[in-house]
Amino acid sequence: QKEVEQNSGPLSVPEGAIASLNCTYSDQGSQSFFWYRQYSGKSPELIMFIYSNGDKEDGRFTAQLNKASQYVSLLIRDSQPSDSATYLCAVTSYYGNNRLAFGKGNQVVVIP
Amino acid sequence: EAQVTQNPRYLITVTGKKLTVTCSQNMNHEYMSWYRQDPGLGLRQIYYSMNVEVTDKGDVPEGYKVSRKEKRNFPLILESPSPNQTSLYFCASSLEGDTNQPQHFGDGTRLSIL
Repeated sequence: QKEVEQNSGPLSVPEGAIASLNCTYSDQGSQSFFWYRQYSGKSPELIMFIYSNGDKEDGRFTAQLNKASQYVSLLIRDSQPSDSATYLCAVTSYYGNNRLAFGKGNQVVVIP
Repeated sequence: EAQVTQNPRYLITVTGKKLTVTCSQNMNHEYMSWYRQDPGLGLRQIYYSMNVEVTDKGDVPEGYKVSRKEKRNFPLILESPSPNQTSLYFCASSLEGDTNQPQHFGDGTRLSIL
């Protein structure tokens, strides 16, 4: 089982719609969860982090965490063309060392 | 301005020629890490350091060395580069000596080993 899994395939959403991204993780001991946005050829940029079960909102972004089901999601409301990017889910992992495990990312394309 | 600075940004070199990619942060962060990013494989951790003189292997450490003699610097050394180390490399840092704090990334270094 992969440590961090994200849905495969690009996600196309119309401008103004909600984009929903999901991420599951395997380490039950994980405590911290992050969403990064990465434009093509650029470095990952932190969007959200969440430590507790429930929802956390920041502007148009909402992160949702469910530790019992081991998933974390990201909602992007009122999607804009500038939101077109790859979104990386990252989870702290304690398998063997203290490190951050990344999913392979979800590409989001916002269609004007 | 708070930042993580990597140099060089781009490098084309040949197999076996030792190279060093520098990473420096000005945020007094304890934790620093190196990642490589390859198509289809995502970001994978190479080495990390929880503080000065404390380094440890990540997921893909083979062929790489690091050192942490000063808090701000964390160079990545390829003693004998090979073509399979052609990749996009990122350095990152975070405030405390663990991964529960958000990591800030440098702009990346694109390495091509011929």
